[in-house]
Amino acid sequence: EAGVAQSPRYKIIEKRQSVAFWCNPISGHATLYWYQQILGQGPKLLIQFQNNGVVDDSQLPKDRFSAERLKGVDSTLKIQPAKLEDSAVYLCASSSVGQVEAEAFFGQGTRLTVV
Amino acid sequence: GNSVTQMEGPVTLSEEAFLTINCTYTATGYPSLFWYVQYPGEGLQLLLKATKADDKGSNKGFEATYRKETTSFHLEKGSVQVSDSAVYFCALRGYSSASKIIFGSGTRLSIRP
Repeated sequence: EAGVAQSPRYKIIEKRQSVAFWCNPISGHATLYWYQQILGQGPKLLIQFQNNGVVDDSQLPKDRFSAERLKGVDSTLKIQPAKLEDSAVYLCASSSVGQVEAEAFFGQGTRLTVV
Repeated sequence: GNSVTQMEGPVTLSEEAFLTINCTYTATGYPSLFWYVQYPGEGLQLLLKATKADDKGSNKGFEATYRKETTSFHLEKGSVQVSDSAVYFCALRGYSSASKIIFGSGTRLSIRP
């Protein structure tokens, strides 16, 4: 079974530039998550989709971050404009829907450095 | 809201030592509980899980028991190996299948030969 695919693996940008990350979840997984993991901290949920709809985006800085999930499969996360404090690893994860006990499967992440 | 509190690290042990990493949680209802591990240079992967009170999750010699009365899910291993060196995260999902998964801050474990 193919895992969660993310790209790019690494990205370095200057502050005020924009950047986009892509995620392809495990086939058949209706729930998709984007997490931000700052060095030395646990992952923090930015946004959770179930199929095309947003379930939770309460911690997404909506003035600069946006995310979409077209056709309920792939997803992109965008930052515009980036700030220094956005330097982190951005993790995409997916899980099956309808099961409280279902764990999330994670991609390798995209390490973003804002200079 | 729901939250997870995890033992501060880093933790350094000698090979074959006994390991405990503490995790406590705050949640309404009966959440599902998870331990994830992040090996150097790799992504997060599930280590074990428990979905109801008194359940014991186990994998690779690690165990954790879901204790509703103490709201805890401590990770244990009887004899650690150098290959167990990693960062360990305790996590929970609320009682709704649409609930988000919340992570603790992580505990870095280093095992010396």
